[in-house]
Amino acid sequence: DAGVTQSPTHLIKTRGQQVTLRCSPKSGHDTVSWYQQALGQGPQFIFQYYEEEERQRGNFPDRFSGHQFPNYSSELNVNALLLGDSALYLCASSLGPQGANGYTFGSGTRLTVV
Amino acid sequence: AQKITQTQPGMFVQEKEAVTLDCTYDTSDQSYGLFWYKQPSSGEMIFLIYQGSYDEQNATEGRYSLNFQKARKSANLVISASQLGDSAMYFCAMSRALTGGFKTIFGAGTRLFVKA
Repeated sequence: DAGVTQSPTHLIKTRGQQVTLRCSPKSGHDTVSWYQQALGQGPQFIFQYYEEEERQRGNFPDRFSGHQFPNYSSELNVNALLLGDSALYLCASSLGPQGANGYTFGSGTRLTVV
Repeated sequence: AQKITQTQPGMFVQEKEAVTLDCTYDTSDQSYGLFWYKQPSSGEMIFLIYQGSYDEQNATEGRYSLNFQKARKSANLVISASQLGDSAMYFCAMSRALTGGFKTIFGAGTRLFVKA
């Protein structure tokens, strides 16, 4: 039973560019949440997708956008990259938005902006 | 403001002993969920335990138990019989029910070192 799959694992982009990160949820899960984790800090909630809609959003600018597809997979897009966007981006899936059985996290995408 | 506070940046414990990792939270919500996650050096977050705000009994999962004190707004994680493989970062998190979805906030984490 595959867990959460994220791609790519590592990415280097130049300031001002755009990036797309991808996430396939655990089999049976229908909800995807995205987090940004800077080095040495806890994850920061970006947004949550359920039923192909953005359901909740954290304190991130509109440069951060996402999408959920009918097969529950999701993408995170970041436009006009800044150096401060360099972080580990984590995708978490759950059955339903509450995640009472725990969110299952992927291994993350390490984004470096130069 | 919603907030999770983990006051112990690092903790040491002897193998086979128990250890308590502290977590306090601040919320005016009546309904919320509390989680603990483990993050080894590999980077993947591993779900350990969940406590709902209306659950009267403390949650337990194997060697993990959550000491939930609602009036004090604390949700400490107790790991019994520590193992070398327990060395990792541990994050406390709170999930809030908002219109249409849930928003989860994490604390800054506690790094646990298990000594042989």
